[in-house]
Amino acid sequence: EVQLVQSGAEVKKPGESLKISCKGSGSSFTNYWIAWVRQMPGEGLEWMGIIYPGDSDTRYSPSFQGQVTFSADKSISTAYLQWSSLKASDSAIYYCARHDQTDGVLDYWGQGTLVTVSS
Amino acid sequence: SYEVTQPPSVSVSPGQTARITCSADALPKQYAYWYQQKPGQAPVLVIYKDTERPSGIPERFSGSSSGTIVTLTISGVQAEDEADYYCQSADSSHTYVVFGGGTKLTVL
Repeated sequence: EVQLVQSGAEVKKPGESLKISCKGSGSSFTNYWIAWVRQMPGEGLEWMGIIYPGDSDTRYSPSFQGQVTFSADKSISTAYLQWSSLKASDSAIYYCARHDQTDGVLDYWGQGTLVTVSS
Repeated sequence: SYEVTQPPSVSVSPGQTARITCSADALPKQYAYWYQQKPGQAPVLVIYKDTERPSGIPERFSGSSSGTIVTLTISGVQAEDEADYYCQSADSSHTYVVFGGGTKLTVL
């Protein structure tokens, strides 16, 4: 069974940088795309984009292009989402999920990482 | 990208049937997926490829498709089914994903 375990909650100040992680186990991590999904407080799910850990190929949603960076370290089956300069509006829960590109389904999800950006 | 539209809320009494619709112009060509999200939890896939149910999902959950509309049906709704439900589809390359705005199912 696939498991995705995300890093813990973060509290940051505006302008700070941040990198959160998503570690996969139970299946070949490098054979699947990993999606990142944002959920702002009280709001719905927003797809941010995907990364293929096998070669770090990425696809960003136009809404998030240039705002965040995806990366991966296939040697430790881990994908990352990072910000260079956080804003208060980045406060949200961020989920990683396995993205099956044969049909576009997000079939396994991490538990989510709460990011709070406040001065 | 394109829009995926869901009603913001649906209410049913226990034991009744809940139907949540999702509409998008691309749905006749692209599959739809449904996720259940309970408060404080990550989403869980409950229906894939319009009508298929993952293992472990109760049989009372079913999906159907007709033209530009897909429907999640929950038969014999239970209190534990109260949650937000999200419809999702993708572009023709299955790369770019779109979520509907979510439907809050209230069990009265």
